[in-house]
Amino acid sequence: DQQVKQNSPSLSVQEGRISILNCDYTNSMFDYFLWYKKYPAEGPTFLISISSIKDKNEDGRFTVFLNKSAKHLSLHIVPSQPGDSAVYFCAARDTSGTYKYIFGTGTRLKVLA
Amino acid sequence: EADIYQTPRYLVIGTGKKITLECSQTMGHDKMYWYQQDPGMELHLIHYSYGVNSTEKGDLSSESTVSRIRTEHFPLTLESARPSHTSQYLCASSDSGTGNTEAFFGQGTRLTVV
Repeated sequence: DQQVKQNSPSLSVQEGRISILNCDYTNSMFDYFLWYKKYPAEGPTFLISISSIKDKNEDGRFTVFLNKSAKHLSLHIVPSQPGDSAVYFCAARDTSGTYKYIFGTGTRLKVLA
Repeated sequence: EADIYQTPRYLVIGTGKKITLECSQTMGHDKMYWYQQDPGMELHLIHYSYGVNSTEKGDLSSESTVSRIRTEHFPLTLESARPSHTSQYLCASSDSGTGNTEAFFGQGTRLTVV
């Protein structure tokens, strides 16, 4: 059973517009949620995280929103740039004694120039 | 800048061969992880370690084994490679003691078994 889900495998956005990537989770034992960016044949690069007790965290063009009642989080990228084109993974840190990171299946973002 | 390194970056090897994928980090992190990822799929945790001499199997069953004799080193071994082992292998580390929340990843090893 997948605990972290990204239901949109791909997303295309025009340069300068907002990109919104979504993620749903089922486990209430996660203490942090994270977003990673990944290029082919490279390891994931950390972008931004949010504590489970917060509802928003912002870092430059990247903002993550957390809706705990809906068990949903989203990453907003404004404005989107062609260099943002990559696969974005949502991840959650499990606090049940293990500090494992559980990942979603990723969303491929393409920013069109 | 994350200081975690994986070698080799790419490996093509014949069926039945024994291989070891290397992973080292210079950040002094206590926790280390191995993930396996196929295209379009999530990263599956196959092994993790809390510290020296501590290893656990992850959520995805794997025929590989790991060891953690030194804090900085977390190699993964396949005793007899098979085509089903073809995948990307990603090593990561984290340090819960510093208040950092993220895991840092190496660049990965793309393994192809022919």
